[in-house]
Amino acid sequence: KQEVTQIPAALSVPEGENLVLNCSFTDSAIYNLQWFRQDPGKGLTSLLLIQSSQREQTSGRLNASLDKSSGRSTLYIAASQPGDSATYLCAVIITQGGSEKLVFGKGTKLTVNP
Amino acid sequence: EAQVTQNPRYLITVTGKKLTVTCSQNMNHEYMSWYRQDPGLGLRQIYYSMNVEVTDKGDVPEGYKVSRKEKRNFPLILESPSPNQTSLYFCASRVGGVYTGELFFGEGSRLTVL
Repeated sequence: KQEVTQIPAALSVPEGENLVLNCSFTDSAIYNLQWFRQDPGKGLTSLLLIQSSQREQTSGRLNASLDKSSGRSTLYIAASQPGDSATYLCAVIITQGGSEKLVFGKGTKLTVNP
Repeated sequence: EAQVTQNPRYLITVTGKKLTVTCSQNMNHEYMSWYRQDPGLGLRQIYYSMNVEVTDKGDVPEGYKVSRKEKRNFPLILESPSPNQTSLYFCASRVGGVYTGELFFGEGSRLTVL
């Protein structure tokens, strides 16, 4: 059974710091991995999608990497800002019993202090 | 503006009173899905649809029904709601194709069943 783990559950950093969020998954047979952010009381906003054949994706101050063989993905945030404060979720797409399935981690709650 | 729209955003109801949460997307996406988010359990998939008239169960389909009669709409039906269905519900969509594409989420519908 695929399990997605995000450690730490919460992280607090001062503004301007570069940081890395971790996501690990137990089964390397994934089709893609997506990072999201969720603000309190809001829906999920897609940040980056990495296809299984890709190693990384970049968007602005964000860089996500994927290592399928080790079952790991990282989200790197450069020069963090208070507006980056949110919960960050990763999710993998797998197949199970012929059906598509999306498995989420429980998220890392990031606080960037001014 | 490309978006996934859910209604209602907030609802309080009583046990056994049928309700429908609507979901509509304006991006001509083939794939649509429903999730529920609960503290400590994260996001779990309820149902998904690969295209019109094609639906399949996710992880937690019990107590829910869906239909996909039109491409843009994917309503979630609770025939006889129970308190354990109190949750935050999200609808999402993406382009068709197998396991690819960025997922776009709605703002969420917070449901309380008394």
